[in-house]
Amino acid sequence: QSALTQPASVSGSPGQSITISCTGTSSDIGNYNYVSWYQQHPGKAPKLIIYEVSARPSGISHHFSGSKSGNTASLTISGLQAEDEADYYCASYRNSNTPYVFGTGTKVTVL
Amino acid sequence: EVQLLESGGGLVQPGGSLRLSCAASGFPFGTYAMSWVRQAPGRGLEWVSSISGSGGVIYYRDSVKGRLTIARDNSKTTVSLQMNSLRVEDTAVYYCAKHAKGWGMVDQWGQGTLVTVSS
Repeated sequence: QSALTQPASVSGSPGQSITISCTGTSSDIGNYNYVSWYQQHPGKAPKLIIYEVSARPSGISHHFSGSKSGNTASLTISGLQAEDEADYYCASYRNSNTPYVFGTGTKVTVL
Repeated sequence: EVQLLESGGGLVQPGGSLRLSCAASGFPFGTYAMSWVRQAPGRGLEWVSSISGSGGVIYYRDSVKGRLTIARDNSKTTVSLQMNSLRVEDTAVYYCAKHAKGWGMVDQWGQGTLVTVSS
């Protein structure tokens, strides 16, 4: 029941673009388009910002975008803003005895 | 509006028990799978257990098998997590989570309830 792998931290200046990677296996990201991304501010519940690799829920800013290549998914934040400073988690459906798996999490810092 | 409201957290000694409950509203509850996800202090999200809409399919992470039991009551639109033989490493905020697209995504979260296992 290993987690998906994310970088521990990513930083950028306001207005810049950053990309967070999320590496899984052929049992999850590689064979299913059920990759989601969550934003979590301190003390708050996670919030869905991307689902099915690249779709945005209603009300989520267009400066969040998602993609996938092979076993690796990516979240790009364009035009970084102070309020984007948060923890970000990827997640995926997994075809195993555990139906859902999260990434290790990435702390985004706006310099 | 979808609402998930957890309750039942608190302080318990190692080896003790707690029962978490999640009251759901705003969607056809019996149609959707539900999960419990936890987050230890300063750590990442960790999937704990899931139950299908009918209750007929249940999953647990290995470290909680035999100690935690998930259940749902579709007539009361609640999902519960009975936690027995608690360990210090079970200390975490426990979130109730609603799935969509079958098991494909979690689209709604509760506010979380804190479970602290300490002597």
